[in-house]
Amino acid sequence: QKEVEQNSGPLSVPEGAIASLNCTYSDRVSQSFFWYRQYSGKSPELIMSIYSNGDKEDGRFTAQLNKASQYVSLLIRDSQPSDSATYLCAVNPQGGSEKLVFGKGTKLTVNP
Amino acid sequence: DARVTQTPRHKVTEMGQEVTMRCQPILGHNTVFWYRQTMMQGLELLAYFRNRAPLDDSGMPKDRFSAEMPDATLATLKIQPSEPRDSAVYFCASGLSRGANVLTFGAGSRLTVL
Repeated sequence: QKEVEQNSGPLSVPEGAIASLNCTYSDRVSQSFFWYRQYSGKSPELIMSIYSNGDKEDGRFTAQLNKASQYVSLLIRDSQPSDSATYLCAVNPQGGSEKLVFGKGTKLTVNP
Repeated sequence: DARVTQTPRHKVTEMGQEVTMRCQPILGHNTVFWYRQTMMQGLELLAYFRNRAPLDDSGMPKDRFSAEMPDATLATLKIQPSEPRDSAVYFCASGLSRGANVLTFGAGSRLTVL
């Protein structure tokens, strides 16, 4: 089983809707969780990080973490066409190590 | 605006040739990572360094790949000999080991091996 799993999509939502992106991970001792956005032909850029159970909001983005279920999600409210990109979930699988393991990403398309 | 600089941005080479990719991490960052991205496998960690010391290269084919950090401002990834299956985008990322480990990625090196 791959360490970080994401639905590859594509996920298509209309402009103004809420986009919901999901990620599960296999290592129970994982401590840190990240969402990166990658536009086509570009490099990944960090948009959210979350370390404790619950919700974390930053503008139109909300990250949700449930360690008991080994589940992390990203909600994008009022989706814009400029949000169209691939969203990568990343997990720091071990304490004491800085490495990040990435999911394969979910491609999101926001239709005007 | 601090950034991770990678060279070359694009490289086309023939099978069997040596390829060297270079990365200049953000000044002050003490962790450096090499990732490879393909459509099939996504982002795979090849190697990473902390304070220039290699900590994990388990994702790297040892027989042909090597990664080094000759100084704090330069990380290199070398493939010798290159094979068509090495065609991918290679990303370098850097970060700080204390506190939140936020990685900043370079623009990537797109490698095509014919």
